[in-house]
Amino acid sequence: AQTVTQSQPEMSVQEAETVTLSCTYDTSESDYYLFWYKQPPSRQMILVIRQEAYKQQNATENRFSVNFQKAAKSFSLKISDSQLGDAAMYFCAYRNNFGNEKLTFGTGTRLTIIP
Amino acid sequence: ETGVTQSPTHLIKTRGQQVTLRCSSQSGHNTVSWYQQALGQGPQFIFQYYREEENGRGNFPPRFSGLQFPNYSSELNVNALELDDSALYLCASSRGAGTQETQYFGPGTRLLVL
Repeated sequence: AQTVTQSQPEMSVQEAETVTLSCTYDTSESDYYLFWYKQPPSRQMILVIRQEAYKQQNATENRFSVNFQKAAKSFSLKISDSQLGDAAMYFCAYRNNFGNEKLTFGTGTRLTIIP
Repeated sequence: ETGVTQSPTHLIKTRGQQVTLRCSSQSGHNTVSWYQQALGQGPQFIFQYYREEENGRGNFPPRFSGLQFPNYSSELNVNALELDDSALYLCASSRGAGTQETQYFGPGTRLLVL
């Protein structure tokens, strides 16, 4: 079974600075997807970024980028120019590229933005 | 806003009762997945419905059951509620099962079992 580990329960960053959230995963598969979701206090899980395992290029979405290290099974999220609206729980998630679309989530990292 | 809606937003039940939670999928989506998120934890997969059939189930007992309707909306039913069933229940919709599509989540239903 696949597992996802987020070892940082809480992180904080000054507004406008850069922060990196860590995620490691365990799988025996070679083809899969990885995601970062954001869950603000409103509770709605919002997709931040996704990475296909077969792509060597790291995904980027505006201020959000990932560092995908397939051999190390590591998938970190970098947030540049942090904004107050980035404050939320961030979840790393894994999905196989076969069968149903079940997502396996980590336990989350709570990100606080310091004004 | 993802276009996925859930009702009710909050619910309080007592142990032993039954509850039904509802989810309307985003337009054009035929797959709905349900997750349970206990306080301080990541969501755990309950089951998925694709074109009105169950398409995978997580490690949850049979008292957790579901339905998907022809319009692809879905219900999650939980019988014989236990205190540990208190959680945020999230549904997510996508355009198909086994495709490359992303799941889009609703705002969740907060269930408290007393």
